[in-house]
Amino acid sequence: AQKVTQAQTEISVVEKEDVTLDCVYETRDTTYYLFWYKQPPSGELVFLIRRNSFDEQNEISGRYSWNFQKSTSSFNFTITASQVVDSAVYFCALSTLSGGYNKLIFGAGTRLAVHP
Amino acid sequence: NAGVTQTPKFRVLKTGQSMTLLCAQDMNHEYMYWYRQDPGMGLRLIHYSVGEGTTAKGEVPDGYNVSRLKKQNFLLGLESAAPSQTSVYFCASSWVSRTSTDTQYFGPGTRLTVL
Repeated sequence: AQKVTQAQTEISVVEKEDVTLDCVYETRDTTYYLFWYKQPPSGELVFLIRRNSFDEQNEISGRYSWNFQKSTSSFNFTITASQVVDSAVYFCALSTLSGGYNKLIFGAGTRLAVHP
Repeated sequence: NAGVTQTPKFRVLKTGQSMTLLCAQDMNHEYMYWYRQDPGMGLRLIHYSVGEGTTAKGEVPDGYNVSRLKKQNFLLGLESAAPSQTSVYFCASSWVSRTSTDTQYFGPGTRLTVL
């Protein structure tokens, strides 16, 4: 079975704090892809990152960083020096080649509130 | 380049009414998808299409039908709306590759309320 778990339903921080959003996935496929999407209050889904199962290098993009660990089946997302504009729901998603199409399996999402 | 667009943005239906949601993409993507988003459940795949003239069922297809008559458009239909179909509906599209899975790009969503 394929599954994505985001155990943190809601997180509240004060601006400039660092915050980590957890994502744990399950799959038997050896080839798979992991994604993070951001959904701001306006409602659209914004793609943040895509990572394949063969690349465990951590990635940094400005204040955002991602830590992929196959040993613990985790793909965690850290925001450094959070800002009010980071307030959103963040979704982690898993995609595999099973079934022959790009099926995205989403976690339930983590709502991040950044207060001034 | 508009990306993925959805029409309408909001709609209120009465139980039993029918409607069609339109999704259009201008990125020449082969794959298109319809998802629904419900509180605490993330997004769930309703139907998808791997090319013009083809459709297939996703995770939660009951009560919905789809059509892909043109490559750039993907329609989602509700023949007899039920309150359980109150949700936010997202369309997405992506490239196709035999060796990898590609990023899905999402439309802005349609908020549907069924009374």
